[in-house]
Amino acid sequence: GAGVSQTPSNKVTEKGKYVELRCDPISGHTALYWYRQSLGQGPEFLIYFQGTGAADDSGLPNDRFFAVRPEGSVSTLKIQRTERGDSAVYLCASSSRVTSGGANEQFFGPGTRLTVL
Amino acid sequence: KQEVTQIPAALSVPEGENLVLNCSFTDSAIYNLQWFRQDPGKGLTSLLLIQSSQREQTSGRLNASLDKSSGRSTLYIAASQPGDSATYLCALKAAGNKLTFGGGTRVLVKP
Repeated sequence: GAGVSQTPSNKVTEKGKYVELRCDPISGHTALYWYRQSLGQGPEFLIYFQGTGAADDSGLPNDRFFAVRPEGSVSTLKIQRTERGDSAVYLCASSSRVTSGGANEQFFGPGTRLTVL
Repeated sequence: KQEVTQIPAALSVPEGENLVLNCSFTDSAIYNLQWFRQDPGKGLTSLLLIQSSQREQTSGRLNASLDKSSGRSTLYIAASQPGDSATYLCALKAAGNKLTFGGGTRVLVKP
């Protein structure tokens, strides 16, 4: 089946604008994760959904960042009043239902490269 | 707070040499550890996943070991090829299910 897909692949916006980034997880995967990767660094966790609810949003840097997953499948990461420091690659991952012991492997999409001018 | 370190940040070897990539972490209370490959401008490809109860995993030319007591994992790539050139990232999964990544090691295999 298809892997994790993300749209758009590239997004260029101006400082202060609003952007939405979309993630389509692997069909049947109930867990969905957003990470942010700055140039030359490893990805950093933003938020994790189990089904429709955000199980852990401790990685969101501030209240300009928000994510939703209304039907438990597609997720949208929303960034308000973008700043130049938001420029990064935003990665989405999905996994099958999380169980105790944490065996579930995360599968990553290709990412959305966001550039804030 | 879990901290994950990968040293060196970059590595260049001639084709045919074995690659040894290191990953160290500060908190041994992990569920599993994953090694990923990332090509320039691309997403992450999972290479190996080691459960906390395991000591190593092997796939083809790749072998990854895990030593929780010393907070270390090593990825070995045998007989390197130019196609192995990429950035290699290790990531730990602990309570909360999020992955904590190292900064990566950028590998160049010269023909």
